[in-house]
Amino acid sequence: EPEVTQTPSHQVTQMGQEVILRCVPISNHLYFYWYRQILGQKVEFLVSFYNNEISEKSEIFDDQFSVERPDGSNFTLKIRSTKLEDSAMYFCASSDDKGAHSPLHFGNGTRLTVT
Amino acid sequence: QQPVQSPQAVILREGEDAVINCSSSKALYSVHWYRQKHGEAPVFLMILLKGGEQKGHEKISASFNEKKQQSSLYLTASQLSYSGTYFCGTPRNSGNTPLVFGKGTRLSVIA
Repeated sequence: EPEVTQTPSHQVTQMGQEVILRCVPISNHLYFYWYRQILGQKVEFLVSFYNNEISEKSEIFDDQFSVERPDGSNFTLKIRSTKLEDSAMYFCASSDDKGAHSPLHFGNGTRLTVT
Repeated sequence: QQPVQSPQAVILREGEDAVINCSSSKALYSVHWYRQKHGEAPVFLMILLKGGEQKGHEKISASFNEKKQQSSLYLTASQLSYSGTYFCGTPRNSGNTPLVFGKGTRLSVIA
């Protein structure tokens, strides 16, 4: 069964550094998402992406965050200047249609630790 | 606005049943249910759509009351493998928009 893949599985970075989290969505999916989950807490929506542009973003997704689809397969989340509170598990997800009536397929996540 | 789930946690013995509830303060177009095991990604279980269409899992059932803006997930004859955190997700705004998730219900099934 096709799956969403994320790399790296774990990233440790120092405060103020830039990180790029990578995702390869399922190949025939058109809608892409980033969510994050602070340890033991709920899964929070960050951003959705369709047709090479952001379709929605949450209040969390401020100017330090950006997303890109640099080629036909990758979908990246960049955090420009990391803060301690950015430490979380970041999940990429994709769907073949818009979110409300199409299942989200999640990757296994990237655990980001900011020291 | 995120949906509200209850209970926050439940412990069951194998074979027992459980109900997990999800409610929203706004009209719902759909409700999604996902299960997350510790250290893993959320996995899709079921979608309930306005109008009654249901897509999802064979051994777990759910209901969707559009008027009350509520959904319930029914786990019957629970197995050890049912343990995990269950999240409901609802459209962030109206209609066909990304999901926001509730805080989750932690289910522990013991032998």
